Amino acid sequence: GAGVSQSPRYKVAKRGQDVALRCDPISGHVSLFWYQQALGQGPEFLTYFQNEAQLDKSGLPSDRFFAERPEGSVSTLKIQRTQQEDSAVYLCASSLSWSGAYGYTFGSGTRLTVV
Amino acid sequence: AQTVTQSQPEMSVQEAETVTLSCTYDTSESDYYLFWYKQPPSRQMILVIRQEAYKQQNATENRFSVNFQKAAKSFSLKISDSQLGDAAMYFCAYRSYNSGGSNYKLTFGKGTLLTVNP
Repeated sequence: GAGVSQSPRYKVAKRGQDVALRCDPISGHVSLFWYQQALGQGPEFLTYFQNEAQLDKSGLPSDRFFAERPEGSVSTLKIQRTQQEDSAVYLCASSLSWSGAYGYTFGSGTRLTVV
Repeated sequence: AQTVTQSQPEMSVQEAETVTLSCTYDTSESDYYLFWYKQPPSRQMILVIRQEAYKQQNATENRFSVNFQKAAKSFSLKISDSQLGDAAMYFCAYRSYNSGGSNYKLTFGKGTLLTVNP
């Protein structure tokens, strides 16, 4: 596609519910990142994929967070047993190069609200 | 660990005027990349300008330019001839120059909300 596509754009979940957020990167982009952006804050790194390999997941806040990119294109971020502190915008970014030294293309994010 | 600080939560500028957004960072690395991203209400982060730390020349992209002071660890963004469409959140970001998965992530500041007054 022309850009990084994320769905759904908005998600409201009841506390304890599982959610899955989808990222469809630009075709052919090797690198894919997930970031979490709390209200009024800058994005914070969650995890990084190079093709299908998850090379860094040091930013995932707990074992309730899980990300995958099984075929090296579409990625899913799953949050189990959601809690109120998980409410945030989840941004996906991709890069043609493995290093992303020239910057990344971001999607418009999914705003997750846990009630 | 690297940190990025944006000390101006909000700034305003009159249309056609010039405004400068501040950013400082802390790192022990000698080579790295610095970025300014713009985030309008649509939430999509848009790359404004990029600077490589080993280049002394300040980056420029049309109306956007940076003042990169490596010794002071300062990276300010100057927007000239401000337009209504420049209104957005602006984030300064740092990326290591080193190779390896964990080095490719961006570390962001908390952002500066820019208002452009007609």
